Amino acid sequence: DQQVKQNSPSLSVQEGRISILNCDYTNSMFDYFLWYKKYPAEGPTFLISISSIKDKNEDGRFTVFLNKSAKHLSLHIVPSQPGDSAVYFCAASAPRAGSYQLTFGKGTKLSVIP
Amino acid sequence: NAGVTQTPKFRILKIGQSMTLQCTQDMNHNYMYWYRQDPGMGLKLIYYSVGAGITDKGEVPNGYNVSRSTTEDFPLRLELAAPSQTSVYFCASSYIVDGYTFGSGTRLTVV
Repeated sequence: DQQVKQNSPSLSVQEGRISILNCDYTNSMFDYFLWYKKYPAEGPTFLISISSIKDKNEDGRFTVFLNKSAKHLSLHIVPSQPGDSAVYFCAASAPRAGSYQLTFGKGTKLSVIP
Repeated sequence: NAGVTQTPKFRILKIGQSMTLQCTQDMNHNYMYWYRQDPGMGLKLIYYSVGAGITDKGEVPNGYNVSRSTTEDFPLRLELAAPSQTSVYFCASSYIVDGYTFGSGTRLTVV
């Protein structure tokens, strides 16, 4: 039973346009959400996070939006660059419940076309 | 900065063999984790540790064992390897949730 769902296995976007990656979760105890980026033959690297007390967090070209009532978050990349081509994992945890383990989605492979 | 170091990077095991995947971190993180990633799947937690001497099972612990005798090291032991354990294994460490640092992975094939 997947608690974190990324329903799009892949996404192709033209360079310079916006990339929107989506993630849904089912566990209402989750209150901290993260996005990780993974290149082939490398480990995932942390990209951006958001706490449930916020609905938006920005870091340069990357913005994460959280809709708690819909149990949905999204990662926006603007503008998209070819170097952004990677697999993006959504992850969630419940630190206020004392749980720091991350539960990951299956990932979305983003291809940015030059 | 080495971060999280995993060895070996690749390994082929025969069914029934055993091996230990090594993981070392030099960031003095209390939390350490082992995940596996199967093709087209997300990362699934095998075992985790909140400090030296303390370990606990994750989502998919069967067929694996861990130990945490020091802050730095968190080896993962596979006993009686099975084809279902063919996967890419990632070790990670963290101080807090934001600070997950992953190793580069060990690609294991069981034949």
